[in-house]
Amino acid sequence: DTEVTQTPKHLVMGMTNKKSLKCEQHMGHRAMYWYKQKAKKPPELMFVYSYEKLSINESVPSRFSPECPNSSLLNLHLHALQPEDSALYLCASSQTDRKETQYFGPGTRLLVL
Amino acid sequence: GENVEQHPSTLSVQEGDSAVIKCTYSDSASNYFPWYKQELGKGPQLIIDIRSNVGEKKDQRIAVTLNKTAKHFSLHITETQPEDSAVYFCAASMYGGSQGNLIFGKGTKLSVKP
Repeated sequence: DTEVTQTPKHLVMGMTNKKSLKCEQHMGHRAMYWYKQKAKKPPELMFVYSYEKLSINESVPSRFSPECPNSSLLNLHLHALQPEDSALYLCASSQTDRKETQYFGPGTRLLVL
Repeated sequence: GENVEQHPSTLSVQEGDSAVIKCTYSDSASNYFPWYKQELGKGPQLIIDIRSNVGEKKDQRIAVTLNKTAKHFSLHITETQPEDSAVYFCAASMYGGSQGNLIFGKGTKLSVKP
């Protein structure tokens, strides 16, 4: 089973709202990733967690706050977003952060009004 | 850093024809090259991958070839079907390095006409 699940599938929020995206995998992977994907573009790496510790932050604005409560879960907390943050947010996981095969979830389509 | 170029950006073929998508990479240290298929409204799905110690890999109608000297790799889809229509992304990374980050190409939108 190579399934990564994400909730919610769709999210609409105002610029003053606080919301969270959730990601879960049960493959025993110890590396998890958040990507942002704009229309007709490839995924852009945002954060990497390795063994539940943040190992990479690709200069993402502080209005995006990641959290890894345990090895199976990954959250992305959103606060005071801008309309340009509207995008598909993808979660991925791999066996470790030195193992190449990344498996992606279906994504959360976010619209910021 | 690594840079991946992907061509063409769009590709239209008739059902049953073959489709070829090409990618070049810049960092000779890259040693892992996956291909992802992304259907509308879905996340990228790994369809095939190749490591630098192999020149070619096949999985039914899909094959990937790698030329390390020229630093390019290609996806070949034979006997295309309408359900092959999607956006395809190539990527490169350096397995075993400090981080196994994927560097993606810009994608190819494949349309298979019945």
